[in-house]
Amino acid sequence: RKEVEQDPGPFNVPEGATVAFNCTYSNSASQSFFWYRQDCRKEPKLLMSVYSSGNEDGRFTAQLNRASQYISLLIRDSKLSDSATYLCVVHTGGFKTIFGAGTRLFVKA
Amino acid sequence: EAEVAQSPRYKITEKSQAVAFWCDPISGHATLYWYRQILGQGPELLVQFQDESVVDDSQLPKDRFSAERLKGVDSTLKIQPAELGDSAMYLCASSPDRSQETQYFGPGTRLLVL
Repeated sequence: RKEVEQDPGPFNVPEGATVAFNCTYSNSASQSFFWYRQDCRKEPKLLMSVYSSGNEDGRFTAQLNRASQYISLLIRDSKLSDSATYLCVVHTGGFKTIFGAGTRLFVKA
Repeated sequence: EAEVAQSPRYKITEKSQAVAFWCDPISGHATLYWYRQILGQGPELLVQFQDESVVDDSQLPKDRFSAERLKGVDSTLKIQPAELGDSAMYLCASSPDRSQETQYFGPGTRLLVL
């Protein structure tokens, strides 16, 4: 079992749709959680951190469920520019960083 | 806005040759990471430096890969000899410290081994 697993993609959605991605992690001692966005042939960039209380940034909402060991990302009112790969990132104890394989999102007009 | 610099951006080499990649992190960032990303997969950590010291190289294939950060600033990742399976994107990232709240990535070096 991989340490960080993400929904298999790709997700194909129309503009304006709401889409949700899930990510599960195996190490219960994991401490910090993030979502990164990666455009085609570009470097990953931080989208948002994920806090236990949940957090929202405009159309994006991230949530953490420590009991079930998963995090989620919700995108509302999808835009064409949201098309990208979304990477789930987990920092475990000992300062180890693990990236998920990513979920590809295509938003169509 | 400060950025992580990497060079070269693209590298084509033949198997058994040596290749080297360079990374200059954001000024003042103590922690530097080298990742390998194969197409369709997430980045895999190869080596992590805190200043000039290696703190994690458990996934670095040490028979052919080496990395250094001699003065605790810029870093070099070397592969010798290159193999076909090394074809990938090599990403460098930096963060202010080991708490790793945010990692800032460079544009990467795309390596093709023929």
